[in-house]
Amino acid sequence: QKEVEQDPGPLSVPEGAIVSLNCTYSNSAFQYFMWYRQYSRKGPELLMYTYSSGNKEDGRFTAQVDKSSKYISLFIRDSQPSDSATYLCAMGAGAGGTSYGKLTFGQGTILTVHP
Amino acid sequence: GAVVSQHPSWVICKSGTSVKIECRSLDFQATTMFWYRQFPKQSLMLMATSNEGSKATYEQGVEKDKFLINHASLTLSTLTVTSAHPEDSSFYICTARFNIGTKNIQYFGAGTRLSVL
Repeated sequence: QKEVEQDPGPLSVPEGAIVSLNCTYSNSAFQYFMWYRQYSRKGPELLMYTYSSGNKEDGRFTAQVDKSSKYISLFIRDSQPSDSATYLCAMGAGAGGTSYGKLTFGQGTILTVHP
Repeated sequence: GAVVSQHPSWVICKSGTSVKIECRSLDFQATTMFWYRQFPKQSLMLMATSNEGSKATYEQGVEKDKFLINHASLTLSTLTVTSAHPEDSSFYICTARFNIGTKNIQYFGAGTRLSVL
C-alpha cells in the first residue's frame, strides 16, 4: 500500500463548477499537508499549506484536513479554465523524526476545466 | 512565496556525457534542498536530500556515483548526472526548504527536462 493515495483522474468539469480533490494517507507521522499545482512541463507551485485539522481558505481554494480519518481535500470554487493542471498533494512528518523535511507526494490528479 | 531558480530548463546531450543542473534559492538561505525525478504522468520521486556542507543522503535505489550532488553554499545545490544514458532521460526538479517558525515549506524550481540521445 502506498503511503499516500490520490486518484489520478483525469477529472473534467465545466467552468464555474466546484472541484473536489482528495488524498488519503496511512502514515500517522504526517503532520503537515500541502497542495501543489503543476502545469505541463513546469515545476509544482505551492497552493496551500496546512498544519492542523480543519479548513483553511485562500481565495477560491479551501484545504481541508481530517487527521482522524487520514484524509485531506482541496476544494476549488468557481473553477476556471486556467485551473486546468495537475494537482499534487504532499505531506511531511513533524520535527524531530528522521524523516523531517521529506515530503511524500500523491500521484497527482489531472484536472481539466472546459469553457 | 520564495523563489527557487533551476537551470538549465532543458538539456539535450549525447549518451556518455555528464550534465550539471543548478538549483538556487534566490531570496532565502536553504540549508536543505531536495532533488526529485518525475516520469511522464507520474508523481515526484525523491532522489536525495542535499545538506549544505555535508554529504547528500540518497534514497534507496538511487546510485550516488551516478547522480552527484554538491551543496556548496546556503543558496546553491547542484546535481550532476554522470555518463548519462537514454534511461536517465526524465524531468528533474529541485526544492529548497524554507523554515519559518514551525512551518516547513518546500519551494520548487521550474524543473530541468533532460533528454539523452
